[in-house]
Amino acid sequence: AQKITQTQPGMFVQEKEAVTLDCTYDTSDQSYGLFWYKQPSSGEMIFLIYQGSYDEQNATEGRYSLNFQKARKSANLVISASQLGDSAMYFCAMGRTNAGKSTFGDGTTLTVKP
Amino acid sequence: DTGVSQDPRHKITKRGQNVTFRCDPISEHNRLYWYRQTLGQGPEFLTYFQNEAQLEKSRLLSDRFSAERPKGSFSTLEIQRTEQGDSAMYLCASNRQVFTYNEQFFGPGTRLTVL
Repeated sequence: AQKITQTQPGMFVQEKEAVTLDCTYDTSDQSYGLFWYKQPSSGEMIFLIYQGSYDEQNATEGRYSLNFQKARKSANLVISASQLGDSAMYFCAMGRTNAGKSTFGDGTTLTVKP
Repeated sequence: DTGVSQDPRHKITKRGQNVTFRCDPISEHNRLYWYRQTLGQGPEFLTYFQNEAQLEKSRLLSDRFSAERPKGSFSTLEIQRTEQGDSAMYLCASNRQVFTYNEQFFGPGTRLTVL
């Protein structure tokens, strides 16, 4: 079974500063993928970034980067230069490579202060 | 690319009634997923299809829940004899079977309220 733990129910960050959202995972699979999604108050789930378990480089997508530490089973999301529009719920998720479902954490609510 | 669509967006029903939701995936996606999300929690997997075959069902999916994808395109999720505990957002997602990762594209969801 796969499990995702997000220990920060809520986070605050000042506009233009960087913020790290924590995610730890547990799995017995050797091949898996880690994902981050953003869910604004409007409700849609927006894919942000992906990291494969065999990827040696940390994934980056614009202002988003994923700090992948395989031995610690952590996959933290770093958002650089926060913007007011980044205020949302953020979910960490994982899935087996080339398999079906994703398992989600309970999310972190990020609030960006002006 | 019109994205994943779900209908209806909101449904209010009385306890004991049956409800049916529809999901239209992105056209070239052969995998379709249903999740349920309650307030303050992450989405919980319910079931998924590859083409018309239902490949996995969660233990969360009681006998009152049934899902179909008859022609491998759109899918329906039916809840019979609804209970107040069924109130949630029902999310549909789709993707293509690939050999690397399985990023899923989500629809806007159907919010169910059972009175």
